[in-house]
Amino acid sequence: GDSVTQMEGPVTLSEEAFLTINCTYTATGYPSLFWYVQYPGEGLQLLLKATKADDKGSNKGFEATYRKETTSFHLEKGSVQVSDSAVYFCALINPGTYKYIFGTGTRLKVLA
Amino acid sequence: GAGVSQSPSNKVTEKGKDVELRCDPISGHTALYWYRQSLGQGLEFLIYFQGNSAPDKSGLPSDRFSAERTGGSVSTLTIQRTQQEDSAVYLCASSLDLAGGLNEQFFGPGTRLTVL
Repeated sequence: GDSVTQMEGPVTLSEEAFLTINCTYTATGYPSLFWYVQYPGEGLQLLLKATKADDKGSNKGFEATYRKETTSFHLEKGSVQVSDSAVYFCALINPGTYKYIFGTGTRLKVLA
Repeated sequence: GAGVSQSPSNKVTEKGKDVELRCDPISGHTALYWYRQSLGQGLEFLIYFQGNSAPDKSGLPSDRFSAERTGGSVSTLTIQRTQQEDSAVYLCASSLDLAGGLNEQFFGPGTRLTVL
């Protein structure tokens, strides 16, 4: 069945460091891909999405490119801030199935 | 406007008891989803509603789990004869409509269920 694999956390970085959180997927068909973020004490919220191969989703300085050839959707940010500390979830959906598949989440901690 | 709300925020119950978890979606959102997040696990998709209809119940873990939605708004997830392995955070989300699953989902804060 469909699945999403994320790198294990926690990831600890200093402020202004470069961030990469790896995400790979297994899916039939042509899924859409998402990154959701959960800040401390808050509910999950959509960070960015990409609906077809080579699309780049971006928001708040974060980017992820849908790579069909490597079945990946890695999250990147050039310069992290303390306020980026959160848990990040990679997810996919095969359109028409309405069933989202989430990864286990990666906790990011940014130190001042 | 108000976001998705869930109640209770925390529920501690004894093994074998029934529990009801409630979700109030954003007004006007026709699609509603339930997930379970166990410790160290990702979000596990349980069920979705379009209006009051739940076309696919296959994600529910066992026949002890059921969900309903009335009036196209509030949804209730019921767990009968709770077991310790049911302990988890139960999350609800809503979106404007299904739109092939591509509409942004807005998540509630969750209900933390602990079964002793």
